Amino acid sequence: EPEVTQTPSHQVTQMGQEVILRCVPISNHLYFYWYRQILGQKVEFLVSFYNNEISEKSEIFDDQFSVERPDGSNFTLKIRSTKLEDSAMYFCASSFTGTGMNTEAFFGQGTRLTVV
Amino acid sequence: GENVEQHPSTLSVQEGDSAVIKCTYSDSASNYFPWYKQELGKRPQLIIDIRSNVGEKKDQRIAVTLNKTAKHFSLHITETQPEDSAVYFCAASEDSWGKLQFGAGTQVVVTP
Repeated sequence: EPEVTQTPSHQVTQMGQEVILRCVPISNHLYFYWYRQILGQKVEFLVSFYNNEISEKSEIFDDQFSVERPDGSNFTLKIRSTKLEDSAMYFCASSFTGTGMNTEAFFGQGTRLTVV
Repeated sequence: GENVEQHPSTLSVQEGDSAVIKCTYSDSASNYFPWYKQELGKRPQLIIDIRSNVGEKKDQRIAVTLNKTAKHFSLHITETQPEDSAVYFCAASEDSWGKLQFGAGTQVVVTP
C-alpha cells in the first residue's frame, strides 16, 4: 500500500537554527499539507499546497515558515530561526484531490522536532 | 473559520461495551467529516468518514452519524476490544483545498 514518508523521524535543533523537514507524498496525489501536533494537543493545520503554490495557510504559518516542492517527489517544510515553541510533531499529508472534494488525506509517520 | 469541539476528552470502557464520541462543528459549509485513530507515537489513520449528503455510515464495528441541522457528528464503536485503545480525532473540512480542522481528541481506554 502506498504511503507518505517523512524524514527525519526525529530532529533536534538549537534555538535560532533553521530546519528542513522532508516528505515524499504518495506519487499520484496532487494536494499536499503540513500539520503539527504539540505533545498532548490536537493536530493543527499549517498549510496546503497545490499546483506548486500555497493554496491556504493558517495563522500559525507565518514568515518563519516556508514550503517547497523542489522536484517531482519531495515536499519540504522549512522553519527559519526555530523557537522553543516550535517543538512538536510535524505531519505531512497528501490527497489525490482536496478533501472538500471528498478524498481521504493520508498522513506520514511524522517528524518529531525538538528545539533546545 | 471552522471550530470543532470534541467530547469526552477521555473514555474508559470495558471490553465488549460500546464507546461513543461526539463532535460539533461551527461552519455549516463543512461537507466532509473524517475520523482518525492515532496510536501512541504513530500517524493518524483514517478509520471512517462521512459526507454531508449522508446521515449514517457503518463499517463493521464502527459507525458514524451526522446531523447537519444540529451540526454534530458521532463515532460509535461496538464490541470494543483492547486494540481499540487509542486517541480518536474527529475533523471537518469546509473547502476544496482540503484543510482539516481537528477536534481536541478522545483518549479511549478499553480494559479487559
